[in-house]
Parts: sequence; C-alpha cells; structure tokens
Amino acid sequence: AQKVTQTQTSISVVEKTTVTMDCVYETRDSSYFLFWYKQTASGEIVFLIRQDSYKKENATVGHYSLNFQKPKSSIGLIITATQIEDSAVYFCAMREYNYAQGLTFGLGTRVSVFP
Amino acid sequence: EAAVTQSPRNKVAVTGGKVTLSCNQTNNHNNMYWYRQDTGHGLRLIHYSYGAGSTEKGDIPDGYKASRPSQENFSLILELATPSQTSVYFCASGDVSGQGVSNERLFFGHGTKLSVL
Repeated sequence: AQKVTQTQTSISVVEKTTVTMDCVYETRDSSYFLFWYKQTASGEIVFLIRQDSYKKENATVGHYSLNFQKPKSSIGLIITATQIEDSAVYFCAMREYNYAQGLTFGLGTRVSVFP
Repeated sequence: EAAVTQSPRNKVAVTGGKVTLSCNQTNNHNNMYWYRQDTGHGLRLIHYSYGAGSTEKGDIPDGYKASRPSQENFSLILELATPSQTSVYFCASGDVSGQGVSNERLFFGHGTKLSVL
C-alpha cells in the first residue's frame, strides 16, 4: 500500500529566501507519480508540480523545484525567492502507476513567510 | 482553468439526518473524487468515479454513498449523519495528460464544511 510521510509540521522563513520541505514515500511499485499541492489560508487546494518516477531530471515549475532521490524514496520541494503569498500548507502526494484510486496525501507542512 | 464547484459551502446537520453534498465540474473530466480533511489525518479518499454511472469505494467509505448521474455531477450522501462525520469535504476532478489515470493532476473545489450536531 502507498504511504506518504511529511515529518516537518511547520517551517518559518524570511521573505526572498529559500525553503525546503521533505517528503518520503513507501511503495512496492517500480513506477509511480509524485505530486505537490498547496492549500492556501482560504482552504483552496491547487496543484503545484509533479515528478514521474522514471524521469531522472528534477521537475521545475517557476520558483518551485523538486529534489527527487529515488534510492531514498524522497521527494523534497524547494521554493526559491519566497514571497508572503507562499505562506500555505504544502501537501506531498503519490500514486502508483497501476493504482486505480486517487492520490495518497501526506499530512502537510505549514510554511510561514515573514517580511 | 478547470472549475469545480461544491455546494453548500457550509452545512449544519443533526445526528441521524440525511446530508447530500454536491459537486459540479465544467471541464469534462472523467474522474471525480471525494476527500475529507481532518486535523491529524490529512486528506483521505472516500469515494471516486471514473465516469457517469460509476462509483468506487476509496479508503474510508463507511457511512457514505456516492452518486455520479452525469459527467458533470458527483454527489456524496450521508444517509445517517453522525458527529464523527464532522469535517471539511473536498471534491476534485482529474485531468489525464496522456498516460492514463495515474499521472493526473487534480482540480479541487473550495470545500464544504460540515458540522453534525
């Protein structure tokens, strides 16, 4: 069965710096997909970025990038040049290639960006 | 951008009453999902659907039913609501980008806050 673990409950950073948050996962499948979602203070949940397990290159979208370490079953999210608007809860999620159901989510990491 | 609309946004129900949460999506996505979000548990999958007429059980289906009468609409039904079902419920639809269901990104509604007294 899939399992996703985010050990950092909360992180505080100063605006314009870089924040890194961790996520480890468990799967018996050799092919899988990893995702990061953001939940804003209003409760809205939006997709940020995806990593396909068979791709060696780390995914990058805007100021979001991933640190994919397959041997460690780890997928970290890196946000560079943080802004106040990046304050949110970030969820890591995964789905095995042959898994028919929806995503399995971690418990989330709350990021607070201060001026 | 995909649009997923949930109604109502807030609901107060009595124990033993019937509650129906509605979800509508306008982007013709085949897959739709119901999750609940609780402190300490994150987002957990209740039911999902591959298309009109289909419903499947997720990880925590007990006490819930689902209905997918059309491509656009997916409802979550609590026949006999209990206080343990007090939660925030999210509907989502899935956008498949080429390889099938596994890599789909989800579009979420704004959530329904349900309180069962």
